[in-house]
Amino acid sequence: EDKVVQSPLSLVVHEGDTVTLNCSYEVTNFRSLLWYKQEKKAPTFLFMLTSSGIEKKSGRLSSILDKKELFSILNITATQTGDSAIYLCAVPNRDDKIIFGKGTRLHILP
Amino acid sequence: EAGVVQSPRYKIIEKKQPVAFWCNPISGHNTLYWYLQNLGQGPELLIRYENEEAVDDSQLPKDRFSAERLKGVDSTLKIQPAELGDSAVYLCASSPPQAPLWEQYFGPGTRLTVT
Repeated sequence: EDKVVQSPLSLVVHEGDTVTLNCSYEVTNFRSLLWYKQEKKAPTFLFMLTSSGIEKKSGRLSSILDKKELFSILNITATQTGDSAIYLCAVPNRDDKIIFGKGTRLHILP
Repeated sequence: EAGVVQSPRYKIIEKKQPVAFWCNPISGHNTLYWYLQNLGQGPELLIRYENEEAVDDSQLPKDRFSAERLKGVDSTLKIQPAELGDSAVYLCASSPPQAPLWEQYFGPGTRLTVT
C-alpha cells in the first residue's frame, strides 16, 4: 500500500529558530515527491523533488530527497511567524493519484 | 487572475440532510479535482475530471456522494444523506491542460460540520 509518513506531526519553535521536517514514503513506481504549505485551507505548492541529493531552495526554505532511504526533509531557517502553517508532503502513485501525508503543523512563536 | 472559487466556505447541517458544494476552477483549467481533508490528515482525492469526464472516481463513496461537471467548467459535489463522519474540509483544485501532476491550484475549501 502506498503511504507517506511525516514527522513530527506538530512542532512549536521560536521565531529565528531553524526547523527540519521529515517525510518518508513507500510508493510503487516513484517519480517525484512534493512539498506543500497549507495556511488556513488551500495548500500551495513549494517544491517538487525527483533526484537524490539535489537541494531545491526558495528563500529560507530548502528541501532534499534521498531515494535510497526513501525520505525527504524540508528545512526552514530563520523562521518567522508567517511560516506558521501545515506542511504537507505528497507522492504521486502509479495511478497518478497524489498521496498526501498527514502534515506537520508548525507554529512559530514571536 | 482569480483563483479557484468554492462556496459555501462553511456549512453546518444536521445528519441525514443533503448538502452540495460548488467549485469554479481557474479559467482555462480543464482538470478539476475534489479532495476530502479530515482534521489532522492530508487531502484525499475523491474524484478527478478531465473536462466533463470523471476519469478517476474510485475513491468516491457512491452510495451517498455524487459529483457532476456538466459543461466541463463548474462542478458540484453532493452528499445525500450526510453522516457525522462526513464532517471535514472539502477542497477543490484545478490544473491547466497538459500540466504536470503537481501543478494543482487549490481553492479555499468548504468546511462541513454535520451535527
